[in-house]
Amino acid sequence: EAGVTQFPSHSVIEKGQTVTLRCDPISGHDNLYWYRRVMGKEIKFLLHFVKESKQDESGMPNNRFLAERTGGTYSTLKVQPAELEDSGVYFCASSRRQGLDEQFFGPGTRLTVL
Amino acid sequence: GENVEQHPSTLSVQEGDSAVIKCTYSDSASNYFPWYKQELGKRPQLIIDIRSNVGEKKDQRIAVTLNKTAKHFSLHITETQPEDSAVYFCAASIGNAGKSTFGDGTTLTVKP
Repeated sequence: EAGVTQFPSHSVIEKGQTVTLRCDPISGHDNLYWYRRVMGKEIKFLLHFVKESKQDESGMPNNRFLAERTGGTYSTLKVQPAELEDSGVYFCASSRRQGLDEQFFGPGTRLTVL
Repeated sequence: GENVEQHPSTLSVQEGDSAVIKCTYSDSASNYFPWYKQELGKRPQLIIDIRSNVGEKKDQRIAVTLNKTAKHFSLHITETQPEDSAVYFCAASIGNAGKSTFGDGTTLTVKP
């Protein structure tokens, strides 16, 4: 089966600009997660979709971040306006079931805010 | 919320030696503990996982142990090879919650 894909692979923007990241999960996976790794630290949870609904968005840092999953297929994560501390690698993962199930990760989007 | 600590942050071993990475977690409700390997420039991939109803699981050269009382779990790699060089992440999750809480990662270098 095709794996999780993310676009773009890299994005370099200036502070104050807007960036939209996209994730296409594995077909049939209802659960979609966004994570972020900043400066070599832990992979930090941002939010979790079950189909098109936000199951848990407790990890979203602030209201500059907006995630959507219209139709329960692909998801977008928009950062507006971007700040320097938003730089990092944004990972998307998907799983068929919630909980005790392997999460398949995408290759990540490396975001650099200058 | 859950907090996962991982040690060491870097580990260098000679090819053929064993490597051990240790993690502790804070939430006693956590019941699923996956380990991911991220090679340079690639995506994190699950290498082994353990559920709280077992204390040990082995898959060829890789094993994971879990001590629920002490709230710690460890990854053991035996007969290390240069291709084992990567960043390894431990994680903990509560079964019905979905999200995983990750450790900071361990950069393992296996010297030929």
